[in-house]
Amino acid sequence: AQSVTQPDIHITVSEGASLELRCNYSYGATPYLFWYVQSPGQGLQLLLKYFSGDTLVQGIKGFEAEFKRSQSSFNLRKPSVHWSDAAEYFCELDSGGYNKLIFGAGTRLAVHP
Amino acid sequence: SQTIHQWPATLVQPVGSPLSLECTVEGTSNPNLYWYRQAAGRGLQLLFYSVGIGQISSEVPQNLSASRPQDRQFILSSKKLLLSDSGFYLCAWRVSSYEQYFGPGTRLTVT
Repeated sequence: AQSVTQPDIHITVSEGASLELRCNYSYGATPYLFWYVQSPGQGLQLLLKYFSGDTLVQGIKGFEAEFKRSQSSFNLRKPSVHWSDAAEYFCELDSGGYNKLIFGAGTRLAVHP
Repeated sequence: SQTIHQWPATLVQPVGSPLSLECTVEGTSNPNLYWYRQAAGRGLQLLFYSVGIGQISSEVPQNLSASRPQDRQFILSSKKLLLSDSGFYLCAWRVSSYEQYFGPGTRLTVT
């Protein structure tokens, strides 16, 4: 069965510190993987996506993610966090079918000044 | 550019009352549209999707229904709301390259 796990429910970092949000998936083939960000009370915005090819993908707002097939992971990273990055982050697995869309439970990021 | 509208933004309804949430899309034709529900502290639960006018697929048995009366309009409804229907409802447009564009959401509180 397909699944997405975001092990960290809450993460707190200091402004300027580096960030890594974890995403682990379970799927029998190479999935389409996405990271979205959600500000409080808002819809989700796409940060980046992985389909195939280069395993390190760049996204908006200075984020990047690395696909590691051996670890079934797609972790999101940012070298230096800004206070405006405080939000909730969701990892999604898409197997290409209309209804095979699975989101992780999300990681809420707090940024200390 | 792609734009998704949802209304209302917030809604407080008593148990047993009807519900109608609307989603409209601009900047495309024949979009694949989705309704999700987001409960506090949880991810997004796919409720319905539609690949065209009048074509609705339901993903979970529930108290809700969906309709697509026009190409760029997607409606979520209920005849009688339950307390468990409370949540944040998101409409999304999934494009051919699989990423999704989300509307601003509707916060529904059933009292």
